Amino acid sequence: QQPVQSPQAVILREGEDAVINCSSSKALYSVHWYRQKHGEAPVFLMILLKGGEQKGHDKISASFNEKKQQSSLYLTASQLSYSGTYFCGTRAGGTSYGKLTFGQGTILTVHP
Amino acid sequence: DGGITQSPKYLFRKEGQNVTLSCEQNLNHDAMYWYRQDPGQGLRLIYYSQIVNDFQKGDIAEGYSVSREKKESFPLTVTSAQKNPTAFYLCASSTQQGTEAFFGQGTRLTVV
Repeated sequence: QQPVQSPQAVILREGEDAVINCSSSKALYSVHWYRQKHGEAPVFLMILLKGGEQKGHDKISASFNEKKQQSSLYLTASQLSYSGTYFCGTRAGGTSYGKLTFGQGTILTVHP
Repeated sequence: DGGITQSPKYLFRKEGQNVTLSCEQNLNHDAMYWYRQDPGQGLRLIYYSQIVNDFQKGDIAEGYSVSREKKESFPLTVTSAQKNPTAFYLCASSTQQGTEAFFGQGTRLTVV
């Protein structure tokens, strides 16, 4: 079963912040975040393992709430280059391997 | 350079014909995946393989078949039983430890 992402689309002006959420009905081992530009391959952003850690680099960070099986991606002071479709991927269960299932994506558009 | 290669980039086939999409990786990854991407539906898992000579069905395996005879290769056959095969197909690979997945550039299949 695919994780559920919200919102489906976000429109921002440069410098604004955004939050993208990902939730699953299954107990998760890890959450992966990717960004895809139109017609290109998804590009890895970060991975979060169960344990509730928060990760980030530059102005993009993410958190993982293991109890709620939810993850959030935080984009601060957005830039034009942030535009694209963001996907969360999840691995369920207690192991690090197994099926990697993605959500339906969140389309982020940043305007000047 | 290490990476994952899908070929061809564009593929056209007549309805009723089987077609095989190629996916090769030289990252020494054990796990490989096939996803289908349709507008608004995100990345849906077709098949995945954790090790040579073994593979499992994903969420939408009907009408597709795969093989994993070599670690580097994971070809996907779209059979005539697939009712709506026109889509963008993405192949990915990762280590057994469940780290980030690397994606190929995708194959856009059009069936007429």
